[in-house]
Amino acid sequence: DIVMTQSPDSLAVSLGERVTIDCKSSQSVFFSSNGHNYLAWYQQKPRQPPRLLIYWASTREFGVPDRFSGSGSGTDFTLTISSLQAEDVAVYYCQQYYTIPLTFGGGTKVEIK
Amino acid sequence: QVQLVQSGAEVQKPGASVKVSCKASGYPFTSHLISWVRQAPGQGLEWMGWVRTFNGYTDYSQNFQGRVTMTSDTSTSTVYMELRNLRSDDTGVYYCARGGRSVTTDGEYYFDYWGQGSLVTVSS
Repeated sequence: DIVMTQSPDSLAVSLGERVTIDCKSSQSVFFSSNGHNYLAWYQQKPRQPPRLLIYWASTREFGVPDRFSGSGSGTDFTLTISSLQAEDVAVYYCQQYYTIPLTFGGGTKVEIK
Repeated sequence: QVQLVQSGAEVQKPGASVKVSCKASGYPFTSHLISWVRQAPGQGLEWMGWVRTFNGYTDYSQNFQGRVTMTSDTSTSTVYMELRNLRSDDTGVYYCARGGRSVTTDGEYYFDYWGQGSLVTVSS
């Protein structure tokens, strides 16, 4: 199984500041035949299901604000919130879909300082 | 609009079974796979498996193999997940999620739509 490791577990940032969340996979999720990284990011607010933010490591889902961006390749990925808003308080998960079993990172809790 | 509507909360005793439903609407039912994802209280997300709605073919996580059955009913656009021999650590919220087209060359198995979740409590 591909193990997904996120860091940090939690962070508190002031409104308007930049947030960076890292996700590392135990093996590469890059498929050279199509040039895709099989990595997605989700946001989960309390008592809600997760919401897809980013897929193919850097493609923003329709309707997701452009302050959210994804980067990275191979085994190392980053989710960036360029300017934290109050509504961004949530837990963020990465997920690999390179192979089954599909696996998620442990989550990163983002709070307001 | 795409919607996945799940059945309600369940309370079951250890050793019993539970069957959760997920009714899809707003898109061609057989065009996408449906997965089930579990979230234990205060914990992260765990993929349980998926069902290919157009032919009923399934893949299960080894963590649930032998205890879980996922089925799809094309006549009602509904997917079911049955978990047997329940234990206390099966307590959690179970989500269905749409992920990946049934016919795909790229394997885009990320989850773009989720059900609201079904709380399953296992307690004696």
